[in-house]
Amino acid sequence: QVTLRESGPALVKPTQTLTLTCTFSGFSLSTSGMCVSWIRQPPGKALEWLALIDWDDDKYYNPSLKTKLSVSKDTSKNQVVLTMTNMDPVDTATYYCARTMGAYGDYNFFDYWGQGTLVTVSS
Amino acid sequence: SSELTQDPAVSVALGQTVRITCQGDSLRNYYASWYQQKPGQAPVLVFYAKNKRPSGIPDRFSGSTSGNTASLTITGAQAEDEADYYCNSRDSSGDHHVFGTGTKVTVL
Repeated sequence: QVTLRESGPALVKPTQTLTLTCTFSGFSLSTSGMCVSWIRQPPGKALEWLALIDWDDDKYYNPSLKTKLSVSKDTSKNQVVLTMTNMDPVDTATYYCARTMGAYGDYNFFDYWGQGTLVTVSS
Repeated sequence: SSELTQDPAVSVALGQTVRITCQGDSLRNYYASWYQQKPGQAPVLVFYAKNKRPSGIPDRFSGSTSGNTASLTITGAQAEDEADYYCNSRDSSGDHHVFGTGTKVTVL
């Protein structure tokens, strides 16, 4: 059974750095083809893909946010960490992590999602 | 990066058929995946690749692609299908992922 769970602060101040952890089970991020993505959704708005890390430790970022984002993994702990610097009120959103499959073929999909964690940026 | 454009809202009578479209240049090279999201819940994958439906998703959900447009069709819409639907694919570089703008489906 595959599960993912996001954890981190619910409130951060502007200019601070946000660190979110995705703890997963039911698969290994050392298995070829396995990836984990971070996705966010501001209140009432659309989903936005943020970043992906794959089994080989390759990392990809949303070009519009690349300078703010960093993703890493700890395979032994089954965790993926997202760091987002210089937080702004526009970064207020629900942040999801999701297992990502088929990232290097002609199709990809996010088949399992965490329940999401709401992060509010406010002073 | 490329964009994926969806109609903001569509409505369908109970039991009828509705098609949700997603337009973008990258769809000429990459298949879309589709997600259903109900209020307060995480998205759920409902269709992906050329013709794949995850286990547990009703067969009234189907997908297709033509040129730069991907479509999700709900044949015989049910009340529980009322939700927001998002497409996703890779951008033109192939290195990044992009979501569509989302479509709110109302079942009348």
